[in-house]
Amino acid sequence: RKEVEQDPGPFNVPEGATVAFNCTYSNSASQSFFWYRQDCRKEPKLLMSVYSSGNEDGRFTAQLNRASQYISLLIRDSKLSDSATYLCVVNERTNAGKSTFGDGTTLTVKP
Amino acid sequence: GAGVSQSPSNKVTEKGKDVELRCDPISGHTALYWYRQSLGQGLEFLIYFQGNSAPDKSGLPSDRFSAERTGGSVSTLTIQRTQQEDSAVYLCASSLGLAGGSTYEQYFGPGTRLTVT
Repeated sequence: RKEVEQDPGPFNVPEGATVAFNCTYSNSASQSFFWYRQDCRKEPKLLMSVYSSGNEDGRFTAQLNRASQYISLLIRDSKLSDSATYLCVVNERTNAGKSTFGDGTTLTVKP
Repeated sequence: GAGVSQSPSNKVTEKGKDVELRCDPISGHTALYWYRQSLGQGLEFLIYFQGNSAPDKSGLPSDRFSAERTGGSVSTLTIQRTQQEDSAVYLCASSLGLAGGSTYEQYFGPGTRLTVT
């Protein structure tokens, strides 16, 4: 079993739709959580950190459920420009420099 | 300001040759990371540096892989006796501090696409 698992998709949604991605992690000692976005053949870029209480940035909402060991990303009012691969990232408490990336969920937003 | 730069951007090499990949982090960033991404896959952690030291080398796939960082800045990833399965994009990232102990963002370079023929 992978340490960080994501549904690879692809998710194909129309503009304006709401879409949610989940990511599960196996290491209960995980401490920091992030969502990164990667456009085709480009480097990943931070979308948002995930805080224990949940956090929102515009149309994006991230949630953490430590008991069930998953994080989620909700995108409201999808735009064409949201089309990308979304990577879930988990960092350990005791090995702060090691980031484990999920394989990513691919989103395509269509007109 | 300048971001993370990597060189070369593309490298084609013959099986059995050694290659060196270079990463220039953002100035002032103490942490530096190397990842490998095969086509259609996620990022595979290789190694990270805090300053010039590498506390965790567990991600290096074999003893053919090594990395060093000098002066708390530039890092090189060396692959000896390359094999076809080493073909991938090698990504470098840097951050102000270690990503795990806080919410420090990792800034990625554009990567080096390595093809072993």
